[in-house]
Amino acid sequence: DAGITQSPRHKVTETGTPVTLRCHQTENHRYMYWYRQDPGHGLRLIHYSYGVKDTDKGEVSDGYSVSRSKTEDFLLTLESATSSQTSVYFCAIRDRQDYEQYFGPGTRLTVT
Amino acid sequence: SQQGEEDPQALSIQEGENATMNCSYKTSINNLQWYRQNSGRGLVHLILIRSNEREKHSGRLRVTLDTSKKSSSLLITASRAADTASYFCATDARDDKIIFGKGTRLHILP
Repeated sequence: DAGITQSPRHKVTETGTPVTLRCHQTENHRYMYWYRQDPGHGLRLIHYSYGVKDTDKGEVSDGYSVSRSKTEDFLLTLESATSSQTSVYFCAIRDRQDYEQYFGPGTRLTVT
Repeated sequence: SQQGEEDPQALSIQEGENATMNCSYKTSINNLQWYRQNSGRGLVHLILIRSNEREKHSGRLRVTLDTSKKSSSLLITASRAADTASYFCATDARDDKIIFGKGTRLHILP
């Protein structure tokens, strides 16, 4: 695997609590992405970053915020978790435009 | 809405046969990529085809791209049990977003 890790790998939390997922890379890639994967929906883009402090919304950004204060870390925050945010979250990195992505191992989040 | 749509949603074939999956998309793209996901794992990049290319090969994989029809196909020849996985197409438009389809679940029967 490319040098990309996600933490935590599993989390169970209660509705209404804040949750932060971390994606960490050691590849110095410019682009970082957060996706969620749900049965019947494939992967859906939540937010992405094209540089430090440069982020933009994806397909399903409502209820999520992101931050990227340094190249290697991209944080995804659920301000107030809801049961509909129960999902597997994947982070991906990419070196340049027109190149492929490398994926992390995923974080399984359960909101009860 | 998702950019790419794979067809079929699920496919079962005998080991040794060829498997073909299709992907249709909606807007102009820089390139189209195919990924594989084994159950419970992250996605692995298989092949990338740029908008000015029509066909590309990598080992047992053959990808075609028809930009006039906004469609792509992935052919896996001489399938093996290890090819059992989900396959996704992803479109890379000119806005840095990479959008995935819902995937095709491929099952290789012994």
